[in-house]
Amino acid sequence: GESVGLHLPTLSVQEGDNSIINCAYSNSASDYFIWYKQESGKGPQFIIDIRSNMDKRQGQRVTVLLNKTVKHLSLQIAATQPGDSAVYFCAENRAAGNKLTFGGGTRVLVKP
Amino acid sequence: DTGVSQNPRHKITKRGQNVTFRCDPISEHNRLYWYRQTLGQGPEFLTYFQNEAQLEKSRLLSDRFSAERPKGSFSTLEIQRTEQGDSAMYLCASSLGQDHEKLLFGSGTQLSVL
Repeated sequence: GESVGLHLPTLSVQEGDNSIINCAYSNSASDYFIWYKQESGKGPQFIIDIRSNMDKRQGQRVTVLLNKTVKHLSLQIAATQPGDSAVYFCAENRAAGNKLTFGGGTRVLVKP
Repeated sequence: DTGVSQNPRHKITKRGQNVTFRCDPISEHNRLYWYRQTLGQGPEFLTYFQNEAQLEKSRLLSDRFSAERPKGSFSTLEIQRTEQGDSAMYLCASSLGQDHEKLLFGSGTQLSVL
């Protein structure tokens, strides 16, 4: 039978449209959050980060929003391109910790 | 430097055999991490080193797992008496201090235990 782990949430988006990927985190003590992009056969690649004393941070074509009240993180990708097709993970760094805790991934498929 | 290098890229072994993976981090990075990733899941922390000292180990790292970084440069991860449940991608990452923006992952070693 199939592994539950294979059923990644998938976001299909038209090239040029904006993408929004969501993530819920569990530990209110986490003080640092990161979004990673992982392409097939490669390790995760840093996209953008945000500290818990901020609620928004912008990068090049990407914006991360943090809602500490509901422990929710989102990644917005503007004008999604074919090269954005990948699996995206959020990760949290817990206070006084040195390791990242990753959430489940979201697969983004960009349709030409 | 061309990035974090991991060898081998793929390893197929029979249950009960021992396997060893190697990670060569970015040369000036003093921190080195090992993570494990199963299909469709995010990476899970296993252990990390600051220079040659192993400072933290996850409960996931059973006594069959051992990691070393003898000279504070490359690291090895050994799994003894492999089990089918050990099948996963083993990722290495390195950074300079706690700067996660500069945390660079290798492409991993894919282990398949038959």
